[in-house]
Amino acid sequence: EAGVTQFPSHSVIEKGQTVTLRCDPISGHDNLYWYRRVMGKEIKFLLHFVKESKQDESGMPNNRFLAERTGGTYSTLKVQPAELEDSGVYFCASSPPGGGRNTEAFFGQGTRLTVV
Amino acid sequence: AQSVTQLGSHVSVSEGALVLLRCNYSSSVPPYLFWYVQYPNQGLQLLLKYTTGATLVKGINGFEAEFKKSETSFHLTKPSAHMSDAAEYFCAAHNFGNEKLTFGTGTRLTIIP
Repeated sequence: EAGVTQFPSHSVIEKGQTVTLRCDPISGHDNLYWYRRVMGKEIKFLLHFVKESKQDESGMPNNRFLAERTGGTYSTLKVQPAELEDSGVYFCASSPPGGGRNTEAFFGQGTRLTVV
Repeated sequence: AQSVTQLGSHVSVSEGALVLLRCNYSSSVPPYLFWYVQYPNQGLQLLLKYTTGATLVKGINGFEAEFKKSETSFHLTKPSAHMSDAAEYFCAAHNFGNEKLTFGTGTRLTIIP
């Protein structure tokens, strides 16, 4: 069974450009999460989808970030325009339907974004 | 709001020695607690988790953690370190009322041959 897959693994862009990160969750997982780790700091929650609906987007930094999950399958996270402080590792995770605190979230390998 | 503290961003131990990675949480109501590991160029992998019941939790690769409510701690241990344990370890808590995880800042474990 394929795990959570993220594309690209690395991205280097200039300030002001647009970048789109993609996450393919484990098949059948209704819950999809985005997290971000800025260098040297903790991994922080960005948002949570249940199928195609945004359940919680309280962690999104500002309106330069747009997450979508059309059809409840893969998700994209677009940063437009990118700023220097957006650099970091973006993780995607998914978990089975039903959720709950006892449910394990499976993480992808992350996308390392560098804004120069 | 929940916070998770990991003491020591870098820990080095000799091969065969005890591994102890510290984690404390802040909430007065004990959350569910997790330890994740990230090996180089890989995603986060669940090592173990505490939900309810037995306070000593055993995980993969010989790791275990003990939940201590009185100390608000969930330290990770392994009796004998192996070179393959070199990785970054993250402690996390599940917040009540929602599905998101709150992570600590991570501890990078180096094993000295």
